[in-house]
Amino acid sequence: AQSVTQLGSHVSVSEGALVLLRCNYSSSVPPYLFWYVQYPNQGLQLLLKYTSAATLVKGINGFEAEFKKSETSFHLTKPSAHMSDAAEYFCAVSAAGGRNTGGFKTIFGAGTRLFVKA
Amino acid sequence: KAGVTQTPRYLIKTRGQQVTLSCSPISGHRSVSWYQQTPGQGLQFLFEYFSETQRNKGNFPGRFSGRQFSNSRSEMNVSTLELGDSALYLCASSIVPGQGTDTQYFGPGTRLTVL
Repeated sequence: AQSVTQLGSHVSVSEGALVLLRCNYSSSVPPYLFWYVQYPNQGLQLLLKYTSAATLVKGINGFEAEFKKSETSFHLTKPSAHMSDAAEYFCAVSAAGGRNTGGFKTIFGAGTRLFVKA
Repeated sequence: KAGVTQTPRYLIKTRGQQVTLSCSPISGHRSVSWYQQTPGQGLQFLFEYFSETQRNKGNFPGRFSGRQFSNSRSEMNVSTLELGDSALYLCASSIVPGQGTDTQYFGPGTRLTVL
C-alpha cells in the first residue's frame, strides 16, 4: 500500500532563506509523486509532479523537488523564500485504485504549514 | 477556461439532516474526485467518477455517496449528518483518468458545518 509522510507540520523560515519541506513515501510500485500548495480558503494548486522522467522536477513559483529512490524521498525546495510562499503544502502519491477497479486515487500527506518571517 | 466550480461555498446543517454538494469540472475534463479535508484527518479521498461510473472509493461509511452526470458534473450526498462530518469538501477534475500522472485541478471547496 502507498503512503506519504511529511516531516514537520510547521516550518518557519526568514524571507530570502532556503525553503526545505520534507516528504517520504512508501510504495510497492514506481510512484507518481506530487506537491500541492493550498492558500487560505482556497483549493489545492499543483506545484510540480514526478512521473518517472527526470528525477529533478521543476515547478511553478521557483519550487523544485528531487526524487530519490534510495531514500524514498521527494523533498520540496526553493532557494529563496518570499512572503507570498506562506501557505500549506501537501505531498501526495498516486496509487492504483485497487484490483479490477481501474483508475488511480491520490493519497495525501498530512501537510506542512510554511511560515515566512520578514 | 473556467476552473472547477463548487456550490455552495458554505453550508450550515444540523445533525441528522442530509446535504448535497455540487461540482462542475473544467470543460473537457471527464474525471471527478472528491476529498474531505479536516484539521484532524487531513485530506482523505472519498471517491472518483468517470463516465458516470464510480471507479474508486475511499474508506467512508455508506452515508457518503455520489454520482456523475452525462455532462461530467458531479454531486456528492451525505445523509444523516454527524458533527464529525464538518469539513471542507474538495472536488478535483482531470482530463485522463486512470493514468496516475494526470494533474488534478481543485475547486475552492464547500465548507460544511454541522451543528
